[in-house]
Amino acid sequence: DAKTTQPTSMDCAEGRAANLPCNHSTISGNEYVYWYRQIHSQGPQYIIHGLKNNETNEMASLIITEDRKSSTLILPHATLRDTAVYYCIVRLLTQGGSEKLVFGKGMKLTVNP
Amino acid sequence: NAGVMQNPRHLVRRRGQEARLRCSPMKGHSHVYWYRQLPEEGLKFMVYLQKENIIDESGMPKERFSAEFPKEGPSILRIQQVVRGDSAAYFCASSPAWGGGELFFGEGSRLTVL
Repeated sequence: DAKTTQPTSMDCAEGRAANLPCNHSTISGNEYVYWYRQIHSQGPQYIIHGLKNNETNEMASLIITEDRKSSTLILPHATLRDTAVYYCIVRLLTQGGSEKLVFGKGMKLTVNP
Repeated sequence: NAGVMQNPRHLVRRRGQEARLRCSPMKGHSHVYWYRQLPEEGLKFMVYLQKENIIDESGMPKERFSAEFPKEGPSILRIQQVVRGDSAAYFCASSPAWGGGELFFGEGSRLTVL
């Protein structure tokens, strides 16, 4: 079962920042927070992941609260092509192998013109 | 560097036939994951394999489904005696043995059972 809760859907205006929240109150100390998205029926696309510190890459920023019980994915300048289902996932990483990703229902982000 | 390659992209089978879906992981990746997505639903984990080993098959139906990842060649997801309820998109993902931790997904194989 997914260990995260997300809103069902969210709208955002094109060009504005999209802030996507995620709760993971039962996260353990060695579990990472991952974000993926699925555009229409394509394969899921990796966005970003983090453990404790905030992370930024060319796609997005990930802000993790100090207690690690929640996080926010930030798309700084949303475009119409960012319309997708966004998945927040907690995942354990072990040396020599990796745990599977468990997808929940995700959150549908609609970017409007 | 080619991504995860899945084929066929679309497959049509009649009830009772067999479906074979293939997945070639990214170069250098030795871990493969299979997921199924029913229409209008989320992705459900099926099986996680490393070369010649099944690591986690907790999501695989007990009957008719099998998966392998041989030493040479692609990973194969095999569905025997398909039924209409098997109609879905099947996604494969791969990851390196260690480092980064991202799973890279293919574009999926869409199975339609008539």
